[in-house]
Amino acid sequence: GAGVSQSPSNKVTEKGKDVELRCDPISGHTALYWYRQSLGQGLEFLIYFQGNSAPDKSGLPSDRFSAERTGGSVSTLTIQRTQQEDSAVYLCASSYPLAGGQLHEQFFGPGTRLTVL
Amino acid sequence: GNSVTQMEGPVTLSEEAFLTINCTYTATGYPSLFWYVQYPGEGLQLLLKATKADDKGSNKGFEATYRKETTSFHLEKGSVQVSDSAVYFCALTPYSSASKIIFGSGTRLSIRP
Repeated sequence: GAGVSQSPSNKVTEKGKDVELRCDPISGHTALYWYRQSLGQGLEFLIYFQGNSAPDKSGLPSDRFSAERTGGSVSTLTIQRTQQEDSAVYLCASSYPLAGGQLHEQFFGPGTRLTVL
Repeated sequence: GNSVTQMEGPVTLSEEAFLTINCTYTATGYPSLFWYVQYPGEGLQLLLKATKADDKGSNKGFEATYRKETTSFHLEKGSVQVSDSAVYFCALTPYSSASKIIFGSGTRLSIRP
């Protein structure tokens, strides 16, 4: 079956421009996560969605970063006024919903490699 | 706070050698522990997990045991293959916040034929 997909796979932008990164989760997965993988910081959690709401935004590094999810499916991560330190691979993951403390495996997409010149 | 520390790479071994990648964690309460693997050109995928003390996770010949007394979750394999070449990440999910995964810095493993 189809896994988590992300687009674009690569994005090169100029400093100061805005970018949008898209994630299509696995069908039926109501939980969705964004992570960032960068050389200096390793793999960092950014934000978690349950349905269309984001109960945990604790990992967003600044107010230039925002994310939304509509229809309980596709999510968009937006970075405004990009900086060179935003260069990283942005990973999306999805899972069945968290319920009663039960942990479900998160399935990861291939990522979007963002380069800010 | 919650954190994961794993041995720095790269680690280079010959085929059929014994593998250990060390991982220790800091967490409050009772986290769940994981090893993820990223093969060249592929996405991150779960290799194995353990959700409580003394549990052993295993998959594809890899094993790791949740040791609460030493706060460790070392990854082992008795005989590695060239196809095991990848980056391995130790990770945890805090008991208090099952939504996020906290990753170690990753260990690159290269296996020589």
